[in-house]
Amino acid sequence: NAGVTQTPKFQVLKTGQSMTLQCAQDMNHNSMYWYRQDPGMGLRLIYYSASEGTTDKGEVPNGYNVSRLNKREFSLRLESAAPSQTSVYFCASRGSGNTEAFFGQGTRLTVV
Amino acid sequence: GENVEQHPSTLSVQEGDSAVIKCTYSDSASNYFPWYKQELGKRPQLIIDIRSNVGEKKDQRIAVTLNKTAKHFSLHITETQPEDSAVYFCATSGGYQKVTFGTGTKLQVIP
Repeated sequence: NAGVTQTPKFQVLKTGQSMTLQCAQDMNHNSMYWYRQDPGMGLRLIYYSASEGTTDKGEVPNGYNVSRLNKREFSLRLESAAPSQTSVYFCASRGSGNTEAFFGQGTRLTVV
Repeated sequence: GENVEQHPSTLSVQEGDSAVIKCTYSDSASNYFPWYKQELGKRPQLIIDIRSNVGEKKDQRIAVTLNKTAKHFSLHITETQPEDSAVYFCATSGGYQKVTFGTGTKLQVIP
């Protein structure tokens, strides 16, 4: 039981490049989330998927797209990376109702 | 959308003293209030949570209180220890499974 697994752990991109962050969970959770963490800004929600087949925007969706590929997997895509997207990205998943969210280990992304 | 404010942003206490972190929220539909601890370089992990039908919950040295009327909730850590040093986040969640976090409090426990 690995919990929530994110890949990659580290990535350096050049401005304008694209990439996809992968996230998978093995806890049979319905809901999955992508957050970015910047100093002094806390965890800001980019997109979430309350259940398989649905996705919704969070607080800071601009510049990102997501795909809920199946119940296990939720990917985050940067189509044209910008320096402002330099951050630590966390994927999380959660079961139904008022339950704990479990986080992946994070992806440290630097855009130069 | 939901707005969660968290104070203070930094907090230094002497070992053995108590620490209190406060959060306010805007969405009256919020009914779940978790607190997460994030150690340096690690992922956030749940330390305690409270649901809207409960006013207070305690787990050893940590406790959370909720005032739904005033839309605020607080984390209380008693007898602080150096290993309590970390960043703490409050969060809220309502009926649509969206989870909104506060901006975090960096707690330093001075030995």
